[in-house]
Amino acid sequence: NAGVTQTPKFRVLKTGQSMTLLCAQDMNHEYMYWYRQDPGMGLRLIHYSVGEGTTAKGEVPDGYNVSRLKKQNFLLGLESAAPSQTSVYFCASRLGLAGNIGELFFGEGSRLTVL
Amino acid sequence: KNQVEQSPQSLIILEGKNCTLQCNYTVSPFSNLRWYKQDTGRGPVSLTIMTFSENTKSNGRYTATLDADTKQSSLHITASQLSDSASYICVGLSGGSYIPTFGRGTSLIVHP
Repeated sequence: NAGVTQTPKFRVLKTGQSMTLLCAQDMNHEYMYWYRQDPGMGLRLIHYSVGEGTTAKGEVPDGYNVSRLKKQNFLLGLESAAPSQTSVYFCASRLGLAGNIGELFFGEGSRLTVL
Repeated sequence: KNQVEQSPQSLIILEGKNCTLQCNYTVSPFSNLRWYKQDTGRGPVSLTIMTFSENTKSNGRYTATLDADTKQSSLHITASQLSDSASYICVGLSGGSYIPTFGRGTSLIVHP
């Protein structure tokens, strides 16, 4: 059981470069989320999706874009990376309002450093 | 606005000792509250879920409580082990909501 898979696991970027983080889940979950985790700040929601073709902004969306063209994939893009985006990024998925009372399943994280 | 506050921010205990982590929540309308364990370098994993009608629930050496009147939850760890060293995150969910509300977590270090 793969669950939630994030790629890449590590990446170093220079300021101004762009990149995409990929999240894939094989549990047929409706909802997917991207969080960033910084020391002392906890997990903060960047963007989320409640179904294929839909996305919405979370708490800290600036500088990020997302797409969910397929139900199993949720992409997080950085168009012009900044040092403030150095963080660990977590993807999570959830069955949906109708089931499992909201348990989130997380990926293993993607550590991004922007120089 | 929904909020989840956790205390203490960090905790150091000796192996074999017990400890209790606290979570105060304002989540409306309340659906459930989960405790997640996050090992260093890993993603969080659900330990237990508490719904409105549940006061106490155990999962091995972990026991969670919920007081719906005071809007407090606790996670008690019995006979701690080195493997309990992790961050413990309290997460509230309101009914019909897409977005869970996260606490900032309690970092637990268990020393031998």
